[in-house]
Amino acid sequence: AQSVTQLDSQVPVFEEAPVELRCNYSSSVSVYLFWYVQYPNQGLQLLLKYLSGSTLVKGINGFEAEFNKSQTSFHLRKPSVHISDTAEYFCAVSEYGGSQGNLIFGKGTKLSVKP
Amino acid sequence: GAVVSQHPSWVICKSGTSVKIECRSLDFQATTMFWYRQFPKQSLMLMATSNEGSKATYEQGVEKDKFLINHASLTLSTLTVTSAHPEDSSFYICSAHSGSGVGELFFGEGSRLTVL
Repeated sequence: AQSVTQLDSQVPVFEEAPVELRCNYSSSVSVYLFWYVQYPNQGLQLLLKYLSGSTLVKGINGFEAEFNKSQTSFHLRKPSVHISDTAEYFCAVSEYGGSQGNLIFGKGTKLSVKP
Repeated sequence: GAVVSQHPSWVICKSGTSVKIECRSLDFQATTMFWYRQFPKQSLMLMATSNEGSKATYEQGVEKDKFLINHASLTLSTLTVTSAHPEDSSFYICSAHSGSGVGELFFGEGSRLTVL
């Protein structure tokens, strides 16, 4: 079985500062990794995903994440955040070759960007 | 991108009544939709996989008689919480797969159910 740990439930940061949202996972099989973002009163949107290949993945809105197999991590980063990045971010994994919808989600990290 | 819409976004009902939540894919056909439940400060938990034209597949521990799922068309899946009780109060979210791309799930806005 897989599990996902998002180490920080809330991350406050000032505008234009860099940010890293941490995600660790555990699994006995190969997995796909995802980051989703949920803006207030909206559904989850896919930010980026790692399926295979290059361990550095670039997503929308200037976000990127790096897959580190030895540390079983998939941390999300942005070099300079904007007020509009204020949202909740969810890390998720799915088993390689498994059901498309059977994503295991972390508990989420609320990013608050302050002016 | 593709749009998935849920309705209602929030609902309050009395204990013992049934509540129906709709999930629609607005600009694509979804043979498979998924229903999740999210408790406060918890992660989303997959409840069931809804397949158009066939019975839903429920995750372990989810009562199929309590959470009725119907996927009557390629753009609509419904979740009915039957004989709701206060412990059923939660945030219910649906998603749909467009058929292309691993993990390319499109999520609805969620429906918050409060059972009094």
